[in-house]
Amino acid sequence: DTAVSQTPKYLVTQMGNDKSIKCEQNLGHDTMYWYKQDSKKFLKIMFSYNNKELIINETVPNRFSPKSPDKAHLNLHINSLELGDSAVYFCASSQAGGRPGELFFGEGSRLTVL
Amino acid sequence: KQEVTQIPAALSVPEGENLVLNCSFTDSAIYNLQWFRQDPGKGLTSLLLIQSSQREQTSGRLNASLDKSSGRSTLYIAASQPGDSATYLCAAGGTSYGKLTFGQGTILTVHP
Repeated sequence: DTAVSQTPKYLVTQMGNDKSIKCEQNLGHDTMYWYKQDSKKFLKIMFSYNNKELIINETVPNRFSPKSPDKAHLNLHINSLELGDSAVYFCASSQAGGRPGELFFGEGSRLTVL
Repeated sequence: KQEVTQIPAALSVPEGENLVLNCSFTDSAIYNLQWFRQDPGKGLTSLLLIQSSQREQTSGRLNASLDKSSGRSTLYIAASQPGDSATYLCAAGGTSYGKLTFGQGTILTVHP
């Protein structure tokens, strides 16, 4: 069973479009994250949700809107896509209350904006 | 602001060698230090997690150490195998919810 699953795995779209990436975890964790890996393979946190509450919003443009309908799901919606949004987006989850425990990552969603 | 640096950026070794990957961080007020493995086109697999109160963790042929005062962690891989070829990432866990600061990674190639 996949612990953290993301869909879609690949996404190719035109500039200006709106797209969503979905994430689900079956680990029973209470905290979920979105990380972005750029073309230089550098990983940076974007958002963190704890029990459906937004905890971290790391200076991400407001075109990016995360939504957590429940503890097991964290979706990422991106409006008005730009070329610079091309990257691999990773969802992750952990269970350690308010402190960072061991993070488990999904396989990533590769977004290409043309 | 936490910054994490990994040395070397790339490493190529023959099978069977013992090797050390280095990770340094600028802010010693970390909660934990985590080592990951990333295979091409794949997600990150957690290898070892060292809490700030610990000095080292071991899993099979892997051993990770943590020296908070000097801002360093090392990942030791014993008897390397071609299957160990991957990018190895270290990440420092801060006091905020799950905010890991990642290094840029070490690309390891183990050739037969």
